[in-house]
Amino acid sequence: QKEVEQDPGPLSVPEGAIVSLNCTYSNSAFQYFMWYRQYSRKGPELLMYTYSSGNKEDGRFTAQVDKSSKYISLFIRDSQPSDSATYLCAMGTNTNAGKSTFGDGTTLTVKP
Amino acid sequence: DVKVTQSSRYLVKRTGEKVFLECVQDMDHENMFWYRQDPGLGLRLIYFSYDVKMKEKGDIPEGYSVSREKKERFSLILESASTNQTSMYLCASSLREFGYTFGSGTRLTVV
Repeated sequence: QKEVEQDPGPLSVPEGAIVSLNCTYSNSAFQYFMWYRQYSRKGPELLMYTYSSGNKEDGRFTAQVDKSSKYISLFIRDSQPSDSATYLCAMGTNTNAGKSTFGDGTTLTVKP
Repeated sequence: DVKVTQSSRYLVKRTGEKVFLECVQDMDHENMFWYRQDPGLGLRLIYFSYDVKMKEKGDIPEGYSVSREKKERFSLILESASTNQTSMYLCASSLREFGYTFGSGTRLTVV
């Protein structure tokens, strides 16, 4: 059983749709929750960073963390073709020298 | 703009060669990491370093070693390259518990 499980996808949605990307985890010590976006043949880039439970919004992106359910989500509103990428969730504790545990990624395609 | 720079985007090496992958960051980050990324297997941690001359094994260290002589530079060494080390290699750096900044990756093919 992996520590972090990510909905595998792939996901294909029409432009303008609301997208929900999800991860579950088993380690209750995780306190830092990140979402990365990775375009084809590029390195991942940090998209959202959240500490502990709650919501964080940045433009069209909202990250949600529910520590009681060990569940995190990334919502993308008004999705655009430029959002087509692989999205990786990642989590970490404050006692592990910044080492993160990654999900396997969900590939999203937004069709014009 | 902060950066993590990997020395090569594409490399082709022969089986048995010693291979050096170089990574340099300009953000004065304490932590540096080497991952490999393979389809269906996600990101797997090879080694990481939280200080100069310090290194820790990740999940798949076999066949690899690392060097961190200066804070900004973290090198991954394949002692004797094998075909099963063909992969995308990603270097990253971070402050203590913040998110990573990744390099663009090195796609290594071992023939």
